Amino acid sequence: DSGVTQTPKHLITATGQRVTLRCSPRSGDLSVYWYQQSLDQGLQFLIQYYNGEERAKGNILERFSAQQFPDLHSELNLSSLELGDSALYFCASSYRGGNEQFFGPGTRLTVL
Amino acid sequence: QQQVKQSPQSLIVQKGGISIINCAYENTAFDYFPWYQQFPGKGPALLIAIRPDVSEKKEGRFTISFNKSAKQFSLHIMDSQPGDSATYFCAALPRGSARQLTFGSGTQLTVLP
Repeated sequence: DSGVTQTPKHLITATGQRVTLRCSPRSGDLSVYWYQQSLDQGLQFLIQYYNGEERAKGNILERFSAQQFPDLHSELNLSSLELGDSALYFCASSYRGGNEQFFGPGTRLTVL
Repeated sequence: QQQVKQSPQSLIVQKGGISIINCAYENTAFDYFPWYQQFPGKGPALLIAIRPDVSEKKEGRFTISFNKSAKQFSLHIMDSQPGDSATYFCAALPRGSARQLTFGSGTQLTVLP
């Protein structure tokens, strides 16, 4: 158990809908990262937050957004969902901007 | 553009054998190279990592070999066990405040009993 929690574990929704994925980092970790894992694209970095501020952006679609709240939990919002958004979404955290990133168990999103 | 290339895609070894997974990178801004192990239905778990100023790092049965001039690094799993059967990802982290991991494509390891 990495100490990073993610909810929900599974999410099934329809095209065009909007969903919110939630992540709680390890106690004391200030950085939160979101990654997408799909069969065709592998593990791809989406976005990083550090203590509430956006620090880095990767291959994140404009339909996707994220934020980190004062209690350091983070939410990833996915809107206007398409079939191709079906994937595993992982959250990771690290202490400050440390090298070691610890991953949560992931949220499996299925768009029908 | 794939910045970390990983091979092989799949690997089958006998129990007790040595598993070797290779990775190559292009971006010289990378300065931390972790390996992650992922079991089905689980998140990636940090296994072992190395910095480019070190040529080898060993933790138990797991060893990373690093060749800075060739921009290549590899994971060796000694005395491979069926419980090691998982997908292994190499990754690279750039220096600076943007700490996004770039992952290789993964290697599915199967250790036969």
